[in-house]
Amino acid sequence: GAVVSQHPSWVICKSGTSVKIECRSLDFQATTMFWYRQFPKQSLMLMATSNEGSKATYEQGVEKDKFLINHASLTLSTLTVTSAHPEDSSFYICSASVLGPRETQYFGPGTRLLVL
Amino acid sequence: AQSVTQPDIHITVSEGASLELRCNYSYGATPYLFWYVQSPGQGLQLLLKYFSGDTLVQGIKGFEAEFKRSQSSFNLRKPSVHWSDAAEYFCAVGAPESSASKIIFGSGTRLSIRP
Repeated sequence: GAVVSQHPSWVICKSGTSVKIECRSLDFQATTMFWYRQFPKQSLMLMATSNEGSKATYEQGVEKDKFLINHASLTLSTLTVTSAHPEDSSFYICSASVLGPRETQYFGPGTRLLVL
Repeated sequence: AQSVTQPDIHITVSEGASLELRCNYSYGATPYLFWYVQSPGQGLQLLLKYFSGDTLVQGIKGFEAEFKRSQSSFNLRKPSVHWSDAAEYFCAVGAPESSASKIIFGSGTRLSIRP
């Protein structure tokens, strides 16, 4: 159980375009979803926390107008990278959990974004 | 706010040898502690977690970790490593008083296995 999927797994786009990444909890309802960014050989940096039906909470330094997060249902959250530029190229990972600090985060397989 | 340090960037051990990966945390009380493993180009898999109770925690794939409050540590151990254990390992810390399960990751330790 506790499977989280991401789509797409790979995306290559031109500079200036927008890219949407989906994160789905397949066998449980996730009240909270997290979006992380990971640069090569580095750790995961939390970008934002989203709760179903409410606005996402962004970490300091993350542009909310650049990285649009929508948590439309208990099983789906989307991250849209707007007007992507080469510096946005990265590995984006989502995770999902049920409400509560004792709840484990279950991670998706990640989406690798390359902006040309 | 909580923080976590993994002092070893890269460790190489021989197959069959024992392993210990270090993790130190900073938090005012007892935090929630996690170890995750990430294979190249993959997401993260939870190895084990500590919330309270027995300070020696057993996880998957033969891993265990021990919470030592006096040392603010949560080191990961395995008695005999296999070549398939080569991966990146992340220690993470969560805050019990938080209303959500937000966790902070350490910088990671890359484990290589010598044949």
